[in-house]
Amino acid sequence: AQRVTQPEKLLSVFKGAPVELKCNYSYSGSPELFWYVQYSRQRLQLLLRHISRESIKGFTADLNKGETSFHLKKPFAQEEDSAMYYCALRAPQTIIQGAQKLVFGQGTRLTINP
Amino acid sequence: DSGVTQTPKHLITATGQRVTLRCSPRSGDLSVYWYQQSLDQGLQFLIQYYNGEERAKGNILERFSAQQFPDLHSELNLSSLELGDSALYFCASSVDLGRTDTQYFGPGTRLTVL
Repeated sequence: AQRVTQPEKLLSVFKGAPVELKCNYSYSGSPELFWYVQYSRQRLQLLLRHISRESIKGFTADLNKGETSFHLKKPFAQEEDSAMYYCALRAPQTIIQGAQKLVFGQGTRLTINP
Repeated sequence: DSGVTQTPKHLITATGQRVTLRCSPRSGDLSVYWYQQSLDQGLQFLIQYYNGEERAKGNILERFSAQQFPDLHSELNLSSLELGDSALYFCASSVDLGRTDTQYFGPGTRLTVL
């Protein structure tokens, strides 16, 4: 079964402090992992994906297959980072079948305090 | 702006009623996905259509149905509504390019069942 777990519903840090949003997944193969962000009153948007190995808005995430984790990190939080963050998984075999569904975690609401 | 549009923005109706939610994908995107976001279940995949045909089904109730039309817009029909159907319904679209595919989300339709 495919499952994504974000253990923290709420996370609050001070501006300038490091941020780490945790994501653990359950999947027997090699999944594709994503982080989506939803700013207040805005739509869900892709922040980054593990296959790109890119850094967006200072955020990075490394896929750790041994720990089945894909934690999102930023060394210095900014107030504009306050948002809802969702970790999502896509199973490669579903791509072969033509199905592209994303399995989302419950989300973490990140608040950056001034 | 990702280009995915959804109408209406808000919908308030009574139990037992039937509603239709509409989604227009980004220009050129052949796949449309429907997700339900509720407080207790989080963001859950409902169904995917690709170029008019159903591709994948998730946790979609039998009271719910969807279709994708020749112009690629999609409608999600919810019938015999219950209080528990109150949620934010998102539509997403993608080109469907395998591993590099990205789902772009619409702003959502907030359904309130009274």
